[in-house]
Amino acid sequence: QQPVQSPQAVILREGEDAVINCSSSKALYSVHWYRQKHGEAPIFLMILLKGGEQKGHDKISASFNEKKQQSSLYLTASQLSYSGTYFCGTSYSGGGADGLTFGKGTHLIIQP
Amino acid sequence: NAGVMQNPRHLVRRRGQEARLRCSPMKGHSHVYWYRQLPEEGLKFMVYLQKENIIDESGMPKERFSAEFPKEGPSILRIQQVVRGDSAAYFCASSPTVTAYEQYFGPGTRLTVT
Repeated sequence: QQPVQSPQAVILREGEDAVINCSSSKALYSVHWYRQKHGEAPIFLMILLKGGEQKGHDKISASFNEKKQQSSLYLTASQLSYSGTYFCGTSYSGGGADGLTFGKGTHLIIQP
Repeated sequence: NAGVMQNPRHLVRRRGQEARLRCSPMKGHSHVYWYRQLPEEGLKFMVYLQKENIIDESGMPKERFSAEFPKEGPSILRIQQVVRGDSAAYFCASSPTVTAYEQYFGPGTRLTVT
């Protein structure tokens, strides 16, 4: 079942913060976050595993709430380069190597 | 360090022709995944392969579509007798081992069926 992402779109000024959520109705094993710019390949941001720690690098971090089967991606002090569509991909298998089920994406527009 | 490579980047086929899409995984990666993306939509999983084996093809249409990952050479996604509805971007991703989980995507092949 496809995870649900919210919001569908966000428009921010440079320097503002954003939170993107990804919810599943099915028990998750891992959540993978990607950013895709128009006409380009999805770029891997980070992965969160069941029982793992909150991840982050630079000004992008994410959390995984196992009780709610939900992950959130946090973008702080957003930069123009953060614009794009953010997808969460979910895995339900403990084997870890199955194909991902992606949400419909969140469009993020950063304005100067 | 070369990333995942896909060719061709753009492919135009007439209805009824065959389309062959190629994917070379990153060096050291033995797991390949194919995804399809329709305009303004998310990615849909199609098939997961390891060398000489199809592990999961639950997302592949039952007819006209096939995939392989031979011992030597790239992975191939083959679409026979293409129809207009096959027009999409097809992405390949690779991961290093079964315990590494991260999937890295190639630039995609944009298939247009006229």
